[in-house]
Amino acid sequence: DVQLVESGGGLVQPGRSLRLSCSASGFTFSNYAMHWVRQAPGKGLELVSCISNNGDSTYYADSVKGRFAISRDNSNNALYLQMNSLTPEDTAVYYCVNTAYILIYWGQGTRVSVSS
Amino acid sequence: EIVLTQSPGTLSLSPGERATLSCRASQSVYSNYFAWYQQKPGQAPRLLIYGASNRATGIPDRFSGSGSGADFSLTISRLEPEDFAVYYCQQYGTSPLTFGGGTKVEIK
Repeated sequence: DVQLVESGGGLVQPGRSLRLSCSASGFTFSNYAMHWVRQAPGKGLELVSCISNNGDSTYYADSVKGRFAISRDNSNNALYLQMNSLTPEDTAVYYCVNTAYILIYWGQGTRVSVSS
Repeated sequence: EIVLTQSPGTLSLSPGERATLSCRASQSVYSNYFAWYQQKPGQAPRLLIYGASNRATGIPDRFSGSGSGADFSLTISRLEPEDFAVYYCQQYGTSPLTFGGGTKVEIK
């Protein structure tokens, strides 16, 4: 079975950094693009970033461009999101998502709270 | 990027009634890579439908998805009390994947 397990969330002060991780299992991680999706309290779902299967291509939402960096380690089946210069607007649950042709899988999410 | 517009914003129905939710894309969705989610307060989104019309594991058959191209719909044949929630559509055929703004199904 496909499993995606996020970690690294927590409470952080504005301007600080946080690194999220997603551990993947149950599929050939290196074959597929991966995504980070977030949901702020009371809001809808928003794609934050995605990365191609080999890491050569990335995408960032305008709201995080220049502050967040997505990366992956295919040898360890891991996805990362380095989040710098965090603001209260980055407070959300962050989900790791895998798209594999017609299939799609989500992790359970990790909560990030940015507050002084 | 593909913009998804869900309608209506809120649907007020009674248990036992039929619910039809719509989602229109700003351009055709590649290979019908289209999904529907249910979300209840404090919970993660729950995948209901993938590939436009395939029910995810464990999803009751009162949920059905249809559509192609740029127009998709989710039908709940007879609303159960646990079905009152927010529903989101998503396309994942073209990068970046995008979401609709949600339809809230509330008890009338």
